[in-house]
Amino acid sequence: DIQMTQSPASLSASLGETVTIECRASEDIYNGLAWYQQKPGKSPQLLIYNANSLHTGVPSRFSGSGSGTQYSLKINSLQSEDVASYFCQQYYDYPYTFGAGTKLELK
Amino acid sequence: QVQLKESGPGLVQPSETLSLTCTVSGFSLTSNSVHWVRQPPGKGLEWMGIIRSGGSTDYNSALKSRLSISRDTSKSQVFLKMNSLQTEDTAIYYCTRSVYNSGTPFDYWGQGVMVTVSS
Repeated sequence: DIQMTQSPASLSASLGETVTIECRASEDIYNGLAWYQQKPGKSPQLLIYNANSLHTGVPSRFSGSGSGTQYSLKINSLQSEDVASYFCQQYYDYPYTFGAGTKLELK
Repeated sequence: QVQLKESGPGLVQPSETLSLTCTVSGFSLTSNSVHWVRQPPGKGLEWMGIIRSGGSTDYNSALKSRLSISRDTSKSQVFLKMNSLQTEDTAIYYCTRSVYNSGTPFDYWGQGVMVTVSS
């Protein structure tokens, strides 16, 4: 199985700040990487797919980058509604696997 | 619009069988795949299995001996059955959609159903 190592586990940032979350795969996943946002009590929502493509309706302050085994999610100009947990997922090979998540809070 | 909704019992006895239903609308089960994903309280996400557009299935090897996924296309429903439940199976269970059988993420999720395994 492909292991996904996500960091940091938690993050505290101020409004307007830029934050970055990292995800490392245990082998090359050829950009088969998605990022999800999960707000408390809600189901995860797709933000980014194919490592760097923005899902429909997602604000442009979210962006993804990376290749091979290293990927990142960047949130520019942090807003209060961005407080959530974020998960990476590889869908290059079954079983699909997720990172452990990053909990983003406001400072 | 695309919607998925899980239903099933909120409480299951240890060693019993869990049966969940995912009712979908806005897309066809013969065109897209449906996956089950679970999340223990306060923890991460675990992919459980898939039923592909053609009806074939694939399971997480950690659950394969206990898990079965099936469907009724006439009712737009996907079913999950998992036996020999233990307390560590307590989780929110989600059904999700992917556009293709492989190589695509989960673009729509159900609201989830909380399942507690307890006597």
